[in-house]
Amino acid sequence: GAGVSQSPSNKVTEKGKDVELRCDPISGHTALYWYRQSLGQGLEFLIYFQGNSAPDKSGLPSDRFSAERTGGSVSTLTIQRTQQEDSAVYLCASSLSRDYNSPLHFGNGTRLTVT
Amino acid sequence: AQSVTQLGSHVSVSEGALVLLRCNYSSSVPPYLFWYVQYPNQGLQLLLKYTTGATLVKGINGFEAEFKKSETSFHLTKPSAHMSDAAEYFCAVNLNNNDMRFGAGTRLTVKP
Repeated sequence: GAGVSQSPSNKVTEKGKDVELRCDPISGHTALYWYRQSLGQGLEFLIYFQGNSAPDKSGLPSDRFSAERTGGSVSTLTIQRTQQEDSAVYLCASSLSRDYNSPLHFGNGTRLTVT
Repeated sequence: AQSVTQLGSHVSVSEGALVLLRCNYSSSVPPYLFWYVQYPNQGLQLLLKYTTGATLVKGINGFEAEFKKSETSFHLTKPSAHMSDAAEYFCAVNLNNNDMRFGAGTRLTVKP
């Protein structure tokens, strides 16, 4: 079956522009995560959606970052007024929520470059 | 608060040597523990996971990890490194609420 799909795979934008990154999770997965991976760095947690519950936004680095998940499926991560330090690979992952032992399934990420 | 700590951002071993990648977690309750691997230019994939019961977990490609509650550790090992093992390895913890947090990662280099 289809895995987690992210689009675009690469995005180059000018400083100050807004960008939207999309994630299509695996069908039936109610948990969805966004992470950021900077060059040479680990995975930085950004935001977590669990079914219809309020998302855990504790990892968002600033108010320029926001995310939504429509209909419990597709998610969009929006970065407003992009800065050069936003350049990174943004990873989306999904999992089955009813099993805490369920691993995450990752997409291939969106590589964002802010010039 | 940091939930997962990986000691050593970079580990280098010779081909055929033992691989040991360290992971410690901080949790007041036994968490669910995972190791993920990221090969160059690829996404993360599950290597192995800890389930309740057996403390020694075997994963793909000859890797295994042992859960030690007394040490709050979940170190990853492989008896004999192969060149194809060169990758970034991430330890992760699920704090029983599906909130998955990752360590900073350890880059493994295998020398011929």
